[in-house]
Amino acid sequence: EVQLVESGGGLVKPGGSLRLSCAASGFTFSSYSMNWVRQAPGKGLEWVSSISSSSSYIYYADSVKGRFTISRDNAKNSLYLQMNSLRAEDTAVYYCARDPVAGREPAAEFDYWGQGTLVTVSS
Amino acid sequence: QLVLTQSPSASASLGASVKLTCTLSSGHSSYAIAWHQQQPEKGPRYLMKLNSDGSHSKGDGIPDRFSGSSSGAERYLTISSLQSEDEADYYCQTWGGVFGGGTKLTVL
Repeated sequence: EVQLVESGGGLVKPGGSLRLSCAASGFTFSSYSMNWVRQAPGKGLEWVSSISSSSSYIYYADSVKGRFTISRDNAKNSLYLQMNSLRAEDTAVYYCARDPVAGREPAAEFDYWGQGTLVTVSS
Repeated sequence: QLVLTQSPSASASLGASVKLTCTLSSGHSSYAIAWHQQQPEKGPRYLMKLNSDGSHSKGDGIPDRFSGSSSGAERYLTISSLQSEDEADYYCQTWGGVFGGGTKLTVL
């Protein structure tokens, strides 16, 4: 059974940093591109970032480019999101999501989702 | 610009059927989409991928009550024999991480 479990969320002040993690199990993690998607309170879903299976291809939404860094450790079956220079508008639940097709470049498509971790940016 | 448009809300009675619509922006009518369900206070759940010809492939464990169809730039999600647990937000999504605004389905 595919499982994605996010952690690392919390309350942080504007301008601060936070690192999210996603632990993956139930599939060959190293074969799939992975993604972060977020959802502000009461709002819809917003794609944040994608990374290919070997980390060769990385993409970001314009809203986070230059502030967020996606990475992965295939030996630990883990995906990460380093978030710097956080703003109030980054407040959201952050979801880890898997690309449906093994071995392809990131297409920002999703077939399995985690339960999410809440990031609150407030003074 | 690739945009997906969904009605903000829909409602239908317990045991009835409902058809939700997602409309692709002009020039993108050949795009496939995916439908995702988000029950209250839960993470999204992938329902299916829906192609422009109406063929679709469902995610693991998705009941037969959920089906998809297409017509031109419109992509549809039909839920039959509505159950209380179908009350949720439904999002369409396409290549590049583009999401529709979501439709909140109320089961009466």
